[in-house]
Amino acid sequence: DAGITQSPRYKITETGRQVTLMCHQTWSHSYMFWYRQDLGHGLRLIYYSAAADITDKGEVPDGYVVSRSKTENFPLTLESATRSQTSVYFCASTGTGDSGNTIYFGEGSWLTVV
Amino acid sequence: AQSVTQPDIHITVSEGASLELRCNYSYGATPYLFWYVQSPGQGLQLLLKYFSGDTLVQGIKGFEAEFKRSQSSFNLRKPSVHWSDAAEYFCAVGALNTGFQKLVFGTGTRLLVSP
Repeated sequence: DAGITQSPRYKITETGRQVTLMCHQTWSHSYMFWYRQDLGHGLRLIYYSAAADITDKGEVPDGYVVSRSKTENFPLTLESATRSQTSVYFCASTGTGDSGNTIYFGEGSWLTVV
Repeated sequence: AQSVTQPDIHITVSEGASLELRCNYSYGATPYLFWYVQSPGQGLQLLLKYFSGDTLVQGIKGFEAEFKRSQSSFNLRKPSVHWSDAAEYFCAVGALNTGFQKLVFGTGTRLLVSP
């Protein structure tokens, strides 16, 4: 099915471990984003990508790494997870032109760092 | 930089009553404005958006919003709320100078619908 999918949906990890959250979209959208959602903060942009091999920092990038070797994939890596990175992570995508006015969100990845 | 304020953390409305959720933004030029809804355990769904033109915008599920430049507001309204509207609502702003795709979100308003 077309759309934007995230995996895993739920993850518990230990402090200091590396964790990668995957995001895949089937629309060939040029833009992809990673947001985190925390109570009292709404959604905050971590990283975004305008195209394959082009990435840039958002509002809260520290502790995260992204890559975009293929247009359809945009993995987010926590190199050494900390408890403050316990959050719900949302991947999103949008195109350009007429399709660029709507940003589509995945269903979220719930990450708990213990 | 642009910012968004949603002053109400929670709102409770009786089913069938009208609804207005407040959103105020800060940005020097004409913003791109959005309302998203999030049901529990789900991602965000776009309700409506304003880019230019008519300041009253119609969206899905019977929602509308009005852009008021003088008040820096983009309030969301619905004339008659249904129990299925209970969710969290987010206002967001995008800016031309940073690319409208980079949205700044408000902290959200949780809507509760009472019978």
